[in-house]
Parts: sequence; structure tokens; C-alpha cells
Amino acid sequence: DTGVSQDPRHKITKRGQNVTFRCDPISEHNRLYWYRQTLGQGPEFLTYFQNEAQLEKSRLLSDRFSAERPKGSFSTLEIQRTEQGDSAMYLCASSLLSAAADGYTFGSGTRLTVV
Amino acid sequence: DAKTTQPNSMESNEEEPVHLPCNHSTISGTDYIHWYRQLPSQGPEYVIHGLTSNVNNRMASLAIAEDRKSSTLILHRATLRDAAVYYCILRKFSGGSNYKLTFGKGTLLTVNP
Repeated sequence: DTGVSQDPRHKITKRGQNVTFRCDPISEHNRLYWYRQTLGQGPEFLTYFQNEAQLEKSRLLSDRFSAERPKGSFSTLEIQRTEQGDSAMYLCASSLLSAAADGYTFGSGTRLTVV
Repeated sequence: DAKTTQPNSMESNEEEPVHLPCNHSTISGTDYIHWYRQLPSQGPEYVIHGLTSNVNNRMASLAIAEDRKSSTLILHRATLRDAAVYYCILRKFSGGSNYKLTFGKGTLLTVNP
């Protein structure tokens, strides 16, 4: 296993279009997270899955955002009707279902630019 | 959630030790201290974590104050590849939100050749 994979690495879209990002976590990791990061800021938590169940969504995740993790494997994050304020790096991470001592493994992210 | 305070930036010279401080005066007994770093154009990378005792691994050492209100990440010999943003994060080891990492702005470490 080579780590957490995210696709695409870069996405440029016009305002109003829908975009979908994919994340493939480390295969034995039960937990999967999405974060968003804008320039000069630390990553901000968006949502969390334990297996296929979405257990928490941040208030940052407006109705235009939806995330899924069918069968508890890969995950997708869709943004509908994109706005310029959605331009950011979208990061996916995974971890084991265990005590908080375990570290997250992050992917390299998908950089979204809305023009 | 308990918060951490880190300097915005620090500078070091190559092959010298670096001590990155973090204050967490409101830390609770259920909080681990985690450190992550983020290299340019990459996702954050786990560095080290600890609870009460000092910790060492191949990447760094973590020194935790006796009262746990502060900690220091130590890079023993900085290299140019250590130039990154370093995040100090408190993470609960039990309870409903123990899965969550909450990032601040971190410390931007510059390493001079």
C-alpha cells in the first residue's frame, strides 16, 4: 500500500460547475477524513467517516457539499454549483479505528481553482 | 477544545538543532500532544506524539513539560528537507471526538544552508 491517494491533483473549473474528488485511503484504515486548506491557514476539518458511516459534518460543509464512502473503501467529495470561495486545497486522510494515539496519513490533496 | 500557541515562524541553519515550542496551558488530562508537519505542496505528515513522558522517534524528539502546559519538538540536525510548517495539536484520547485533529496556523520553519 502506497498511502492515501487523491485524484485529481489539480482541478480548474468555472463558477457554477459541479466537481467531484476521489480519495483512496490506506486499505486497512477504518477512518477517513476530509479537510480543506486555504493559503496561509492550517487544514480545516470538513467531515469524518467510520467505515461507510458519515459520523460528523462540519458547519463548513454547506448544502452544496456532499461526501460519500460506499462500502467503507474509497470516498468522494462533490461540490455542486462551485463558487470562487471554494477555491482551496482539499485534503483526505485516513487512520485506524483505535485510540487517539494513532497518526493520520494524509494524501497530497486536490487543489481546486474556481474561475 | 484546548488550544495551542506557536510562533508564526522560526529560522535555523542546516545541521543545527531546532527547538520548536508549543504552549497549551489549557490542556486536559485526556489530551495527547501531536505534531505534524507540512512540506510545500503536500499534505500534513505525522511526526510524533506524546502524553506525559518525553518521546523519541526517527524523525524527532518531543519534550513535554512536567505540568504538560508546554512542549517542544526537537529536530536534532536540521536539513533543508525539514523546511515546513509544523503544527502542534491536542487530540483527545477518549470521548466522542477523539478522532479529530484541529489544526492551527503552525510554525513556518526556514532552514538556511
